Amino acid sequence: TQLLEQSPQFLSIQEGENLTVYCNSSSVFSSLQWYRQEPGEGPVLLVTVVTGGEVKKLKRLTFQFGDARKDSSLHITAAQPGDTGLYLCAGGSFSSGSARQLTFGSGTQLTVLP
Amino acid sequence: DTGVSQNPRHKITKRGQNVTFRCDPISEHNRLYWYRQTLGQGPEFLTYFQNEAQLEKSRLLSDRFSAERPKGSFSTLEIQRTEQGDSAMYLCASRMAGSDTQYFGPGTRLTVL
Repeated sequence: TQLLEQSPQFLSIQEGENLTVYCNSSSVFSSLQWYRQEPGEGPVLLVTVVTGGEVKKLKRLTFQFGDARKDSSLHITAAQPGDTGLYLCAGGSFSSGSARQLTFGSGTQLTVLP
Repeated sequence: DTGVSQNPRHKITKRGQNVTFRCDPISEHNRLYWYRQTLGQGPEFLTYFQNEAQLEKSRLLSDRFSAERPKGSFSTLEIQRTEQGDSAMYLCASRMAGSDTQYFGPGTRLTVL
């Protein structure tokens, strides 16, 4: 069974601060996806990384996939109140079948205070 | 809007009743997934369809849960004889063949009284 551990579970910071969220596993994943979820809504895709060592930037967000494809990080620069939400990482499986279901971490609840 | 849609968005039912949820995936996506999410947790995989074939259903939580995708387009998830522990957000996602990226719908929030 593949498991993804996310840390921290909760993070409350002031507007303008930087932060990093971590996603770690002992398993290798075919890809790693980051989602942001608002209360009462489904997860919204932020990025997919597929190559070990890959770095992707989305405005103030920087995503990195570990060289061994077992871990990932999300760094936010100069956080804004609009960044508030639940951040979820999800690993794609190398299953022998075609399901390739995602294994999710338990999420990081980010609150950015004005 | 060509994203994944789910109906209803909210469902309140009494224990013992049956409920059915619908998911309409992105039209060109032939892979469809159902997940369940409880408070404070990430989504948990339930079942998977490739076109109309249900290729993975071992993660369905009990035999009270069933899913269909009769024509390879929309899908339904049914829960029979609901229990209070079934209260959760039920999420549907779809993807294209050859890609890991799944796109989620807004979910159906189920409350069992």
